[in-house]
Amino acid sequence: SQKIEQNSEALNIQEGKTATLTCNYTNYSPAYLQWYRQDPGRGPVFLLLIRENEKEKRKERLKVTFDTTLKQSLFHITASQPADSATYLCALDDQAGTALIFGKGTTLSVSS
Amino acid sequence: DGGITQSPKYLFRKEGQNVTLSCEQNLNHDAMYWYRQDPGQGLRLIYYSQIVNDFQKGDIAEGYSVSREKKESFPLTVTSAQKNPTAFYLCASSRATELYEQFFGPGTRLTVL
Repeated sequence: SQKIEQNSEALNIQEGKTATLTCNYTNYSPAYLQWYRQDPGRGPVFLLLIRENEKEKRKERLKVTFDTTLKQSLFHITASQPADSATYLCALDDQAGTALIFGKGTTLSVSS
Repeated sequence: DGGITQSPKYLFRKEGQNVTLSCEQNLNHDAMYWYRQDPGQGLRLIYYSQIVNDFQKGDIAEGYSVSREKKESFPLTVTSAQKNPTAFYLCASSRATELYEQFFGPGTRLTVL
């Protein structure tokens, strides 16, 4: 069955630095991958979607890459701010294209 | 204001009771989903619906039931058969199941006493 792993449960960085979060997957080839942000006690909020034929996608300070050879996506937040502190979830389409499979998330803490 | 709402925000129930969680969306989305989230865990899919009057089991459907009689509504019933129902429940919707982002509600935290 499909398996998705986010590299670490927690990441602590200083304000102004670039945060890099990793999402690895095994056992299949997703057609697309999505990243969400979740604040404590709230529902996730969609950030970016990248398709399998796209290498990179950008939105303001966010950048996502998708390497189908390595079976990995990297999520970057440049010039990080304390307001970026949250849990970030990676999600892939299932093989049937009917639902998303979510990783456990990486909790990012940005200190000033 | 378009969005997706869940009620109640907090719910307490006694062991052995069924309870229904509400989910409503006014985004005109065809697809709706129910997820369960436990501390330190990712979202696990309970049920999803691609269209009115149709729904499919997700990875952890046992002990849960749903209905989709209206496009905008997708209630989830947690039955007494669910062995460990205490969790954070999230409802989501999307234009379709494939290739579209999901919009999430604020969640319902269910505690079984």
